[in-house]
Amino acid sequence: AQSVSQHNHHVILSEAASLELGCNYSYGGTVNLFWYVQYPGQHLQLLLKYFSGDPLVKGIKGFEAEFIKSKFSFNLRKPSVQWSDTAEYFCAVRGGSQGNLIFGKGTKLSVKP
Amino acid sequence: DAGVTQSPTHLIKTRGQQVTLRCSPKSGHDTVSWYQQALGQGPQFIFQYYEEEERQRGNFPDRFSGHQFPNYSSELNVNALLLGDSALYLCASSYDRSNQPQHFGDGTRLSIL
Repeated sequence: AQSVSQHNHHVILSEAASLELGCNYSYGGTVNLFWYVQYPGQHLQLLLKYFSGDPLVKGIKGFEAEFIKSKFSFNLRKPSVQWSDTAEYFCAVRGGSQGNLIFGKGTKLSVKP
Repeated sequence: DAGVTQSPTHLIKTRGQQVTLRCSPKSGHDTVSWYQQALGQGPQFIFQYYEEEERQRGNFPDRFSGHQFPNYSSELNVNALLLGDSALYLCASSYDRSNQPQHFGDGTRLSIL
């Protein structure tokens, strides 16, 4: 069965620190990979996605993620976080190009001003 | 351009009751998926509707049922409510083509007393 593992439950950083959130998935075939963000009181928003091609994908607000097929990983990065990045981040995988998403449990990011 | 809209925002029910949640997809989208997000967890896939039929289903009991209307809007029905059904119910819509991301609504917070 497909599964997604996010390594960190809660990450606390100071502004300007670099961020890397881990995500590993378990699925044997072609996958679509996503990072969603949920700001306090708001709905899930798509941060970035990987379907195929360049394994380094850039998303909104300076976020990027790298797909490493051999490691079944899709880690999220940002060189310098801001207080406004405080949110919960969810990694999700979809087997194939359509269908349902399998989410990780989420990582709560708190950025101290 | 209206995003995904869900109603109601909050709902309180008692055990054994039945509930109906509603979702209007984003303009241009024809596929609706429902997810359950328990506190501290990532969203879990319930089912997906396309062309007014259930196309995929996650590991949820038959108490959870749904419907899609000709205008692509959808309902989620839950019968014989249990305390464990307390959660945030998310609707996501997408366009039924390869490599299309899902867009989420704000969710309905269901509390079972």
